[in-house]
Amino acid sequence: QVRLQESGPGLVKPSDTLSLTCTVSGASLSNYYWSWIRQPAGKGLEWIGRIYTSGSTNYNPSLKSRVILSVDTSNNQFSLKVSSVTAADTAVYYCARGSIAPDFWGQGTLVTVSS
Amino acid sequence: QSALTQPPSASGSPGQSVTISCTGTSSDVGDYNYVSWYQQHPGKAPKLMIHEVSKRPSGVPDRFSGSKSGNTASLTVSGLQAEDEADYYCSSYVGNNQLVFGGGTKLTVL
Repeated sequence: QVRLQESGPGLVKPSDTLSLTCTVSGASLSNYYWSWIRQPAGKGLEWIGRIYTSGSTNYNPSLKSRVILSVDTSNNQFSLKVSSVTAADTAVYYCARGSIAPDFWGQGTLVTVSS
Repeated sequence: QSALTQPPSASGSPGQSVTISCTGTSSDVGDYNYVSWYQQHPGKAPKLMIHEVSKRPSGVPDRFSGSKSGNTASLTVSGLQAEDEADYYCSSYVGNNQLVFGGGTKLTVL
């Protein structure tokens, strides 16, 4: 069974960098795209971006200038960094397998941007 | 890219059928057969219910079906059950290796 688990700080100060890691178990990262999606409280889903195991990335144009995705195949993990965060970046962040139709999702982790 | 348009709410009685629409443009829903639907219960992660317009992943009941006409995709839930009450989101590939979601529809089972 494929499992994904997000980890990282739940509280980030404004203007700092949000960093999250997704650990994958039950499957190899190889030959798949891996995505990040976020959801502000009470709102809809927003696609952040995707990364292939080769390291090739694609980002939501609205976030592209502040987002970096990376992959660590040796630890079966992939990561998200969002720089210069504001309160608008407060959301539940999900990692997921796949890009066009993510089929396995992590449980999500709440990140709050506040001083 | 702009979010796809979904009705904020939909409802039906147990046993009935309900259809949720997802409207895009000729550059996304209308141009690609890569529309997906997700079910999300409160406090839970989204679950993939339909991909590539009408394909059901293993384990998804055949009460859930998807279709597309022009720039609008639809999710139909037949034989409504209490556990179908949830938020439903559509998504579409929009080219240039991008994905966009709809705003979500809250389905209430009366």
